[in-house]
Amino acid sequence: ETGVTQTPRHLVMGMTNKKSLKCEQHLGHNAMYWYKQSAKKPLELMFVYSLEERVENNSVPSRFSPECPNSSHLFLHLHTLQPEDSALYLCASSQDPEGLTGNYGYTFGSGTRLTVV
Amino acid sequence: RKEVEQDPGPFNVPEGATVAFNCTYSNSASQSFFWYRQDCRKEPKLLMSVYSSGNEDGRFTAQLNRASQYISLLIRDSKLSDSATYLCVVTPKTGGFKTIFGAGTRLFVKA
Repeated sequence: ETGVTQTPRHLVMGMTNKKSLKCEQHLGHNAMYWYKQSAKKPLELMFVYSLEERVENNSVPSRFSPECPNSSHLFLHLHTLQPEDSALYLCASSQDPEGLTGNYGYTFGSGTRLTVV
Repeated sequence: RKEVEQDPGPFNVPEGATVAFNCTYSNSASQSFFWYRQDCRKEPKLLMSVYSSGNEDGRFTAQLNRASQYISLLIRDSKLSDSATYLCVVTPKTGGFKTIFGAGTRLFVKA
C-alpha cells in the first residue's frame, strides 16, 4: 500500500465504549498528526508526533489518547467520548520533523467518520 | 480576527467560467502557503503550493500578496469535476507545527 491509510473508515460507538483509530504511512515521513474536522469548521490540530515523540498537544481532552509506536504508525485511543466528539478524524504525515511543510504540505489519510451515540 | 479567513461561499458557476477565491492571513511571519482541495466526505488533498512569484498549474493559478497578506486561487475554464471545497493553508516561518487551515470555500460548477 502507498500513502496514508486509516482504519476503520466509519465507527459508531457508545459513550462508555473504548475504541482505537489506526493510521499507517508508507511515505517515509518524519511527522504524523491527528486532526479533527467538524461540520463547517476548519481542521483542528489535536496531536503531533515528530520522530516518534509527541511535540504538540492542543489542549485535547484526556478522553483522547494518542500512541506512536514507530515512525509509520499512529493510534488514537478513545474512551468515554461525548456526542460532540462526533466528527471526521484525519491522520496526516509530513516530511519535515520540525513542522516546516516546505513545498510538500501534508498527506492525509481518508479519515475515520466517528459517531458517538 | 481569524488567523486564516476564507469566504465560505458557495460559489455557483457554470462550466467554462473563471472563478477566483481569496484567502487572508493574519500572521505576517507566515512562510509557506498552499491550496488544498477537499471533495465531499473525503480527505483534503494538496492542490498546489503558492510561491511568491505566483505559479500556474494548468487551469489553476495561485498568487501571493505579502503586503496585503492574502493568497488567491484562480480557476479558468471550470469543469464539473472542480466542484469541491478549497482550503487555504498557511505555515509560519518558525514551523513548530503551527500550520493553520482555513474553513474552506465551496465551489459548485454546473452544466
